[in-house]
Amino acid sequence: EDKVVQSPLSLVVHEGDTVTLNCSYEVTNFRSLLWYKQEKKAPTFLFMLTSSGIEKKSGRLSSILDKKELFSILNITATQTGDSAIYLCAVLGSGYALNFGKGTSLLVTP
Amino acid sequence: DTAVSQTPKYLVTQMGNDKSIKCEQNLGHDTMYWYKQDSKKFLKIMFSYNNKELIINETVPNRFSPKSPDKAHLNLHINSLELGDSAVYFCASSRARPNGGETQYFGPGTRLLVL
Repeated sequence: EDKVVQSPLSLVVHEGDTVTLNCSYEVTNFRSLLWYKQEKKAPTFLFMLTSSGIEKKSGRLSSILDKKELFSILNITATQTGDSAIYLCAVLGSGYALNFGKGTSLLVTP
Repeated sequence: DTAVSQTPKYLVTQMGNDKSIKCEQNLGHDTMYWYKQDSKKFLKIMFSYNNKELIINETVPNRFSPKSPDKAHLNLHINSLELGDSAVYFCASSRARPNGGETQYFGPGTRLLVL
């Protein structure tokens, strides 16, 4: 059975800190890994990763995939209170469905 | 313009009732999905349709029945609602069948509370 494990489950940091969120996976026929940010409502797309070692970057957020070690990290530098959210990792394997991890709940305090 | 929209946003109902949730996307996508997010915030796929064809049918009670009248709409009908059906239901869409290069875009969610 496909498995996606995120860590930590929750995290509290101060504004300005840098955080690293982890996602490890075991899936049959890996095709892609996606990161989403979920605030009060719908998950919103952040990154899609399909190749090892290529960093995706958007502002203060970046992510990289290691297909050999089966994990991905999401980095957020100079955190702001608006970064407080649940960050979801999802992996597409041999089926059509995204398999989601349980998420990392991030709280950034002023 | 909302890309993926769901109605209603909130639904409070009694056990045993039948209810429907509607989803529409105006992105021109071919594939639509229903996910359930439980109280622990865990998202799990329920169904997916590609061009009105059912391509994912996870193990959910047969009280749940999806219907896709056209590729822009995917509705979810739930019969004989139970307390455990209380959750947030998300609709999503993607340009094509998920083959590795497709991002799924989510609707705002429908919060269902069964009393």
